[in-house]
Amino acid sequence: GQQLNQSPQSMFIQEGEDVSMNCTSSSIFNTWLWYKQEPGEGPVLLIALYKAGELTSNGRLTAQFGITRKDSFLNISASIPSDVGIYFCAGLFNQFYFGTGTSLTVIP
Amino acid sequence: DTGVSQDPRHKITKRGQNVTFRCDPISEHNRLYWYRQTLGQGPEFLTYFQNEAQLEKSRLLSDRFSAERPKGSFSTLEIQRTEQGDSAMYLCASSLATATYEQYFGPGTRLTVT
Repeated sequence: GQQLNQSPQSMFIQEGEDVSMNCTSSSIFNTWLWYKQEPGEGPVLLIALYKAGELTSNGRLTAQFGITRKDSFLNISASIPSDVGIYFCAGLFNQFYFGTGTSLTVIP
Repeated sequence: DTGVSQDPRHKITKRGQNVTFRCDPISEHNRLYWYRQTLGQGPEFLTYFQNEAQLEKSRLLSDRFSAERPKGSFSTLEIQRTEQGDSAMYLCASSLATATYEQYFGPGTRLTVT
């Protein structure tokens, strides 16, 4: 199946700092999505991207669909403690393929 | 609550037993998906339905797994003769057929096979 690589695998940051994470694939995707998952819960959709080069924001979150269609980026500005969780990218090509996740810890 | 619901939230079973999970999607959503998630990994696609028709199955869905959506509303996922390797979180998601990228997930069923 398709392999999506997320980096970094984990991040420990101070409250108020900005966060950047990315997702890369060896294959082209038509749609990229970013989800956040908290312990014991299902993933929650944050942002959906539909066109190469697209830049979309949702509050303090900004995501970009890479020009090559093989990557995507997520930025979180001015992090707060409730941003803690695991962030997954997902690419759509016939079906959804999920990355391995970036675990974010925000230190107050 | 109009979100996706799953039942049970947790299931502990002995190896060799059969288990069945239920998913109730968002009411107006006609697509329903099942995923499996193991610790430290992202969800892996298992199968999906459009209304009552099962349109795609992953190779991960061995012949011990079966899913149904008899009336195009709720769905069940059954695992027969469970194995320890089946221990995982089983997630259900739903979407409109016109917006397949906007999948909304339920809280999952955590299966532990002892």
